[in-house]
Amino acid sequence: EVQLLESGGGLVQPGGSLRLSCGASGFTFSTYTMGWVRQAPGKGLEWVSDINPSGGSAFFADSVKGRFTISRDNSRNMVYLQTNSLGADDTAIYYCARAGGASWYVDWGQGTLVTVSS
Amino acid sequence: DSQMTQSPSSLSASVGDRVTITCRASQGIHNSLAWYQQKPGKVPKLLIYAASTLQSGVPSRFSGSGSGTDFTLAISNLQPEDVGNYYCQKYDDAPLTFGGGTKVEIK
Repeated sequence: EVQLLESGGGLVQPGGSLRLSCGASGFTFSTYTMGWVRQAPGKGLEWVSDINPSGGSAFFADSVKGRFTISRDNSRNMVYLQTNSLGADDTAIYYCARAGGASWYVDWGQGTLVTVSS
Repeated sequence: DSQMTQSPSSLSASVGDRVTITCRASQGIHNSLAWYQQKPGKVPKLLIYAASTLQSGVPSRFSGSGSGTDFTLAISNLQPEDVGNYYCQKYDDAPLTFGGGTKVEIK
């Protein structure tokens, strides 16, 4: 059974940083693209970033480009989202997701809540 | 970047009805489109990928069609458990944009 477990969310002040983590199990992690999708309270889904299986290629939404980075550790079955220069618009549940054959997302974690507030 | 426009933003229908949701891409995306369902308080669930391929385990009353810029998700024989929000997502190229969502309710 595929399991994705996010951690690292919390309350952070504007301008602050958080490192989100996602631990994966139940599949061969090193062969799948992984992504992050967020959802602001009461709003729709917003794609944030994804990273290819080797970690050598990553993409970002324009809204986070230059502020967020994504990385993965295939030896530990972990994917990370480093979030910097956070603003109120970054307040959201951040979901970790496993991509299918291309970048549609087959499996989702339960999410971790990031709240940016002073 | 291709934008994804979903319509309607909400709909209300009776149990047993057939409902359709459309998603329009501002640029052609071939068949690189997925549909997700998100029930209230739950995690999104993949319904369809490659515009028309039903994900394993998804009831056959869900179907997808379209190619290029215009896509449709159809739910035939609407059931009470189908209540929720539905999103399209393009994945031909970054950014992997989601549509704005459609809220489906039962009359």
